[in-house]
This record gives sequence, C-alpha cells and structure tokens, in this order.
Amino acid sequence: SAVISQKPSRDICQRGTSLTIQCQVDSQVTMMFWYRQQPGQSLTLIATANQGSEATYESGFVIDKFPISRPNLTFSTLTVSNMSPEDSSIYLCSVLQRMNTEAFFGQGTRLTVV
Amino acid sequence: KNEVEQSPQNLTAQEGEFITINCSYSVGISALHWLQQHPGGGIVSLFMLSSGKKKHGRLIATINIQEKHSSLHITASHPRDSAVYICAVKGIIQGAQKLVFGQGTRLTINP
Repeated sequence: SAVISQKPSRDICQRGTSLTIQCQVDSQVTMMFWYRQQPGQSLTLIATANQGSEATYESGFVIDKFPISRPNLTFSTLTVSNMSPEDSSIYLCSVLQRMNTEAFFGQGTRLTVV
Repeated sequence: KNEVEQSPQNLTAQEGEFITINCSYSVGISALHWLQQHPGGGIVSLFMLSSGKKKHGRLIATINIQEKHSSLHITASHPRDSAVYICAVKGIIQGAQKLVFGQGTRLTINP
C-alpha cells in the first residue's frame, strides 16, 4: 500500500495570500490527484498531476488559481493562490495503485481563509 | 441527478446496532470504493469492489452490478465507527483514472 504524507494538516490564512500544500508518496506513482472538499460537500477533483507534463485541470479550475508542480514520481504540490474565504476547504491528494484499483489519500489540509 | 447517490445522508445509532449504508450509481463502472473520513479530514480506503462481497473484520461490502447498487454494513457498531463514509466509483466511460464521489453518509454511534 502507498503511504502519503501531506502537509500542512491545517492552516489559517489571510485573504489575498497563497498557500502551498505538499504531498510525498513512499513509492513512485504515475498520476497524483488533487481534490477539494468544501464544507459539507463531497470531494471534487481539481486536477491530475502527471510527472513531466502539465497538470490536467477539471472544469471550473484553472492553473493560475491552482498551480501544480510534479517534479518527480513521488512528490507534488498544489498552491491555492490569491485566496478568498470561498477557498476555505479541505484539500486532499490521492494516488491509485495496483493497476489503478486501490485508492490512497493524504491526511488532508484543512484551510481556513479569513 | 448526481452520478453517485448515497443514503442516508446522516445516520445516528446506538452502540451494537447493525448499520447499513447504501450507494447507487448511474454509470458503468470498473470499480467501486468505500472510504472512511474521520473529523480531521484524512480518508482511508475500506474496500474496493468490482463484484460480489468483501469482508474485513466487522465491515462487509456488497455490490450488485446489474442493479448498480452497493451497500456497506457494519456489525456490532462502536462509537469509534463514527465517521463519514463515502462511496466512490471509477467509470469505464468517463476519464479512466477519475473517481466520482457520493456526498457521504455521516454516521454517529452513541455509547
């Protein structure tokens, strides 16, 4: 199984600032997924991070707001830029393993924007 | 209508009760996941199903592919089972790697 270390676990940020969330996986994975979970809602996919290429963003999410880095097969970062209170959510990274049949998640980053 | 619907949205029960959470989906799938999310936000994968039934300790998950329905059962429930349980499917038509999530079922087990 994959172990994903995500940090920070929580943060309180001022509006207009940016926060970078890191995910480190203990094994090499082709794709990493970044999700947002707004209060009381289910998970929504922000983007898929591929090593060596641009991330693929879902409808409603743009690179300028959520830039992603994927420098190698075990690490990725998601930045939440120019934050507003509407960005207050839990952000999670995830990977699929074993022929994409098992899903593993980071511990989540609980972001509050004030 | 969401592609993945869970019921109930909230469930409160007494310790020891048998719990059932349901998940219905409307797309063809290659796999269905049951996930557990604790208050801190972290998510743990409980089961991955493509057919039949799986059991792990007090947890049992079943899936009926023809009826596009899955259930998660908890026997002899305990307060530590209190969490949000999420059903997620991996479609065979939509983006091959993406999971689509249900809205979650918030389970509270009282001592």
